[in-house]
Amino acid sequence: QVQLVQSGSELKRPGASVKVSCKTSGYTFTDYGINWVRQAPGQGLEWLARINTYTGNSTYAQAFTGRFVLSLDTSVRTTFLQITSLKAEDTAVYYCARESVFRSGSYYFDSWGQGTLVTVSS
Amino acid sequence: DIQMTQSPSSLSASVGDRVTITCRASQSINNYLHWYQQKPGKAPELLIYGASSLPSEVPSRFRGSGSGADYTLVISSLQPDDFATYYCQQAYRPPWTFGQGTKVELK
Repeated sequence: QVQLVQSGSELKRPGASVKVSCKTSGYTFTDYGINWVRQAPGQGLEWLARINTYTGNSTYAQAFTGRFVLSLDTSVRTTFLQITSLKAEDTAVYYCARESVFRSGSYYFDSWGQGTLVTVSS
Repeated sequence: DIQMTQSPSSLSASVGDRVTITCRASQSINNYLHWYQQKPGKAPELLIYGASSLPSEVPSRFRGSGSGADYTLVISSLQPDDFATYYCQQAYRPPWTFGQGTKVELK
């Protein structure tokens, strides 16, 4: 079955960097894009970015350009989210999610990772 | 960006109740609307895609409808497993945006 397994929780100091991984299984990796969604404590869901796992091209929400970078390693079916110059307000659970397409271009998230808590604190 | 507004933000209901959640987009989104269910401490799960299509594993008591900018999620008979937070998401134009969520609590 389709599985997305994320790396474990991270505690980082302000200004540091973190790299969260999302390892997939159960389907052809390059057939589906991977999206990342952020959820701050007690808050709702916020779409961050997506990566085309066939081309490696990424698209970011405007609020997440610059310090947030997606990458992938096709050989191990894994995508990565790197966040640099961490701030306290980056404290959140970060989810990866596989995207599927309904009809002509209606992207939805049909499988999710378990989430990775990133805590930024001095 | 397309803004998504859900109502109510929270509601209290009993097992067996009919529950209705609405989601309004800031413009027409042509049924490019999806619903997710999230339980505390868990990842969201897909509930409805394309405004009204149910994944095979989702119980038939969940129903989605709507058109243009206005969409509705109905739970026909609330079950104990349905107490959760529900989010709508538009996929008409990036960046994909979510509603703020509707928390369904036990009365």
